[in-house]
Amino acid sequence: QLQLQESGPGLVKPSETLSLTCTVSGGSISSSSYYWGWIRQPPGKGLEWIGSIYYSGSTYYNPSLKSRVTISVDTSKNQFSLKLSSVTAADTAVYYCARERITMVRGVEVDWWFDPWGQGTLVTVSS
Amino acid sequence: SYELTQPPSVSVSPGQTARITCSGDALPKKYAYWYQQKSGQAPVLVIYEDSKRPSGIPERFSGSSSGTMATLTISGAQVEDEADYYCYSTDSSGNHNVVFGGGTKLTVL
Repeated sequence: QLQLQESGPGLVKPSETLSLTCTVSGGSISSSSYYWGWIRQPPGKGLEWIGSIYYSGSTYYNPSLKSRVTISVDTSKNQFSLKLSSVTAADTAVYYCARERITMVRGVEVDWWFDPWGQGTLVTVSS
Repeated sequence: SYELTQPPSVSVSPGQTARITCSGDALPKKYAYWYQQKSGQAPVLVIYEDSKRPSGIPERFSGSSSGTMATLTISGAQVEDEADYYCYSTDSSGNHNVVFGGGTKLTVL
C-alpha cells in the first residue's frame, strides 16, 4: 500500500525559505503513470494546489505561487521536495504531499487527481 | 481563473440523504472528484471521474454530474460521515491547473 510522509521544519521565519520533503514508500516514484504533488491548507481554510512534478523532473506550478515555488525529485531516494521562498504569515498552513494519478487518452493527459495523500505537516511562519 | 462553487454547509439527520453540490463552468467537459476531510485528518478520495467509487468507500457514497453541476450524494448518512467535503476538478487551459471547491461542512445530527 502506497504511503507518503512529509517532513521538514515546523517553524520558518518570515522572508526565509520553507523546505519540505515527501518520502514515498510502498511504490516507486519513477512510475510513468503518476505525477507527485503538493497541496496546502491554511488553518480553518480550504485546499490550495501548489504544484506537481513528474519523475523526469517536469513540473507544473500554481500560477499564483509560481514565482516562489520550486519542486524537485530524487528518484534514488524515492522522494520529492518543495521549496517556497520569501514566506510570510500567509504561508502558514498544513502542507500535504500526494500522488497524482493521470488519465491518458491517445497519449494526451486529459485529467489528473490526487490519491492518496500524506498525513500533512503544519508549517508556521513566525519570527 | 476557474472556480468551483459549493454551499458552505449542509445539515441532515442520521439516516437521511445528504446532497452536496458543486458548480463550475468546465464541468460539462471535465470530471468532478470529491474528497472527504474529517477533523485533523488528510483528505480522502470518495468519488472520482464524476461517479466512480474507490475501493473501501461505502456504497452509500455516490456521485453524479449534469451540465455545470456535480453532486455528491450520501444515502443514509451516518454520524461518522460528518466532515468537510471538497469537490475538485481541472481546467481545460492545457496548463495542468487544478481547482478545489471551497468546501462544504456536512453536519449529521
